Amino acid sequence: DQQVKQNSPSLSVQEGRISILNCDYTNSMFDYFLWYKKYPAEGPTFLISISSIKDKNEDGRFTVFLNKSAKHLSLHIVPSQPGDSAVYFCAANRMDSNYQLIWGAGTKLIIKP
Amino acid sequence: GAGVSQSPSNKVTEKGKDVELRCDPISGHTALYWYRQRLGQGLEFLIYFQGNSAPDKSGLPSDRFSAERTGESVSTLTIQRTQQEDSAVYLCASSPDRSYGYTFGSGTRLTVV
Repeated sequence: DQQVKQNSPSLSVQEGRISILNCDYTNSMFDYFLWYKKYPAEGPTFLISISSIKDKNEDGRFTVFLNKSAKHLSLHIVPSQPGDSAVYFCAANRMDSNYQLIWGAGTKLIIKP
Repeated sequence: GAGVSQSPSNKVTEKGKDVELRCDPISGHTALYWYRQRLGQGLEFLIYFQGNSAPDKSGLPSDRFSAERTGESVSTLTIQRTQQEDSAVYLCASSPDRSYGYTFGSGTRLTVV
């Protein structure tokens, strides 16, 4: 039962354009959502998060949008830069858990020069 | 050290052998997590240590998997009688408390042949 889904295994975007990474979830108990970025041979690094009481959180070039009714969140990167090429993981937290994160399978973002 | 250190970075083992993976968390981080990522899949929670509390082992896939941590120091993940489906990248993460600020290590890539 995949509770966090990232349906696009990969995404290719032109440098300077907007990258939009999508994530869907099924568990209505999730109350906190995070995006992590992972380069090859490195562990994931935290990027940005959003609480379920908000619908938008912005940090520089990164903005996360949450649509609770649709159980959907997205990460927008604008403008996209070559260094943004990485695998992006969406993760969610359950209120009744030990702050364990439930992870999506990741989306590989490729920024074309 | 400044980050989470994992060793070895790569391990190739024969089916049926035991392996031991090591994680050295950031000093002072009370929470320690083990995850694994199999090819094409998301991060899968294995086990969670919080201070001196009993660990949450709910993610361990079978009784061949075990992990130990003494206090707030090094943790070892042991896989007995390895199987080919155990092949994955095993990631360790630590955080200063029950927060979302995980810091991940670079992982151990385990290949069972």
